This record gives sequence, structure tokens and C-alpha cells, in this order.
Amino acid sequence: DVVMTQSPLSLPVTLGQPASISCRSSQSLVNSDGNTYLNWFQQRPGQSPRRLIYKVSNRDSGVPDRFSGSGSGTDFTLKISRVEAEDVGVYYCMQGTQWPWTFGQGTKVEIK
Amino acid sequence: EVQLVESGGNLVQPGGCLRLSCAASGFTFRNHAMGWARQAPGKGLEWVSVINAGDGAAYYPDSVKGRFTLSRDNSKNTLSLQMNSLRAEDTAVYYCAKGSATGGTREPDIWGQGTMVTVSS
Repeated sequence: DVVMTQSPLSLPVTLGQPASISCRSSQSLVNSDGNTYLNWFQQRPGQSPRRLIYKVSNRDSGVPDRFSGSGSGTDFTLKISRVEAEDVGVYYCMQGTQWPWTFGQGTKVEIK
Repeated sequence: EVQLVESGGNLVQPGGCLRLSCAASGFTFRNHAMGWARQAPGKGLEWVSVINAGDGAAYYPDSVKGRFTLSRDNSKNTLSLQMNSLRAEDTAVYYCAKGSATGGTREPDIWGQGTMVTVSS
């Protein structure tokens, strides 16, 4: 299985400051169709996952533009340009290139 | 509005069985791959099965292969997960997820609220 490794696992951030989460895969996520199936999800306390980013850098409709995704191959990053209170929660990367799809361990974002 | 509503979660003894359902609305169900993922209490997320839109082929990770069976009824817009030989480690919230139009379950775009399965004597 493809192992997804996130860092850090805990991220205390001051309101209005940037935040960055790293996600590394144990093998390249470039699929045979040329796409890289790397997603980012946000899970607020007590809620189900919400997709923020798909195919590395495509932001979902309704997702604030302070969220951005980047990376290639095995190394990916989710950035929040200015953290707001509503961004508190756990963030997961997920690969959809090789079955079984797998998630990172999650990064808990909290306000300092 | 796209909606996924899971049901069927319950307390079950080890070795027992349970059937989860996911009622879909707000989109053309037959055109989308679907799946189930789970989250053990306080833990991360794990996929347990996905099913294609076209041929209805289902896929499982080794952790549930041979014990879980995923099916879909396109006439009723329903996804069903039959879980047999349940173990304590199957205890989790089970989420139904909709595959996107372009990437299927490789990039699931909508998730239900989940249903809790507890395996304990």
C-alpha cells in the first residue's frame, strides 16, 4: 500500500498567520492517465470530511482562496495563507492513484 | 442539494454481521462511483470499499476482503455494505462517499455524516 506521511501532526497557529502542512507518499502519485490524484480534506470537530483540494492544486467550489495546494511526484503541501478561527480541525491528505486509496495520519490545526 | 444519508450502524458482537445503507439524492447516482471509508474513534481515515459506476465492480483492502461486500441498487439510489465476521477492530464511524464526475472515488467530493458501528461483547 502507498504510505502517506504528514508533518507536522500538530500545528498551533496564531490567527492571521500562515500555516503549511507537508504530505509525502512512499511512491510517485502520477497515475498512468497522467493525473496525480492527491486530495486534501478538512475535518472540523464532530463533522465528516470535506474536500478542499483535488488533483494536487484544484480548489473545490466554496473553499476560500486562502487555501492552496502544490507539489508533484511524492511531495505535496497544503498552505493556508492566513489562518482563521473556522480553520480549526484535522487536515488529511489522500492518494487516489493506487488502490487501496490511503490517507495521511492527519494534522491537527489549532489556534495558539 | 447532494445528500448522502447513512444508516444501519449498531452495537454487534464479535463474529456478528451488519448491513449499512447509504441513501443518495441530488445527483444521478448511477453515473458515479461510490465508496465507504471508516474512522476508528480518535483515529484517522481508512477506505473499506469502492464500487464502479458502470460495471458495478467492487474493490476491497486486505483488511476487509472476504468479510465485507459492497453493492449498489441504481433503481433505488442506494449503496449497501454487508459486513460479516465482524471484529473489534472494525469499530468505527462508517462514511459513505460519492466519487467525483472526473476522477471517481480517486477524488471523492461529497461525504455523508456517518454511522457508528461498535463491535463488542
